[in-house]
Amino acid sequence: AQTVTQSQPEMSVQEAETVTLSCTYDTSESDYYLFWYKQPPSRQMILVIRQEAYKQQNATENRFSVNFQKAAKSFSLKISDSQLGDAAMYFCASWEDAGNMLTFGGGTRLMVKP
Amino acid sequence: DTGVSQDPRHKITKRGQNVTFRCDPISEHNRLYWYRQTLGQGPEFLTYFQNEAQLEKSRLLSDRFSAERPKGSFSTLEIQRTEQGDSAMYLCASSLGGGRRRNEQFFGPGTRLTVL
Repeated sequence: AQTVTQSQPEMSVQEAETVTLSCTYDTSESDYYLFWYKQPPSRQMILVIRQEAYKQQNATENRFSVNFQKAAKSFSLKISDSQLGDAAMYFCASWEDAGNMLTFGGGTRLMVKP
Repeated sequence: DTGVSQDPRHKITKRGQNVTFRCDPISEHNRLYWYRQTLGQGPEFLTYFQNEAQLEKSRLLSDRFSAERPKGSFSTLEIQRTEQGDSAMYLCASSLGGGRRRNEQFFGPGTRLTVL
């Protein structure tokens, strides 16, 4: 069974600064995928970034990048040049083919200060 | 817009009543998922369809819950004899059926259920 843990219930960052959100996971599979989803207040969840476990290179999407440490089972999200629109709940999630489902962490609420 | 849609967006009901939610996935997606999200928590998997076949069910899906996807397009989730503990956001997601991007799920806006 997969487990995903986000140890930071809340984080805050100054606009234009950089923030890192932490995530650890546990899996018995060798082939799996990791995701970060963003859920703005009262709006739907959207995919921010995706990492395939077999790829050593860290995924990047514009201002968003990950630090994937496979041996440590760590998958953190770095947001550069934070913007007010980045304020949201961020969920880390994992996928194993054996389960055919996403397993989510408890989320981190990110606040962006102007 | 061809995103995932859900109806209704909000539902208030009294304990003991039955409720039904609908999800329309992205048209070319043949996988459809239901999740439940309680306040301040991450979504929890309920069930999953590939086309019209229900292939996975969580132990969270008690016998009061039933989901269908009769023609492999839209899906319904019914909760019978609702309880206050059923109050949550019910999320639907869809994805492609194959390839390495089959696990990229696109979420709908959710149906927020309040049981009084």
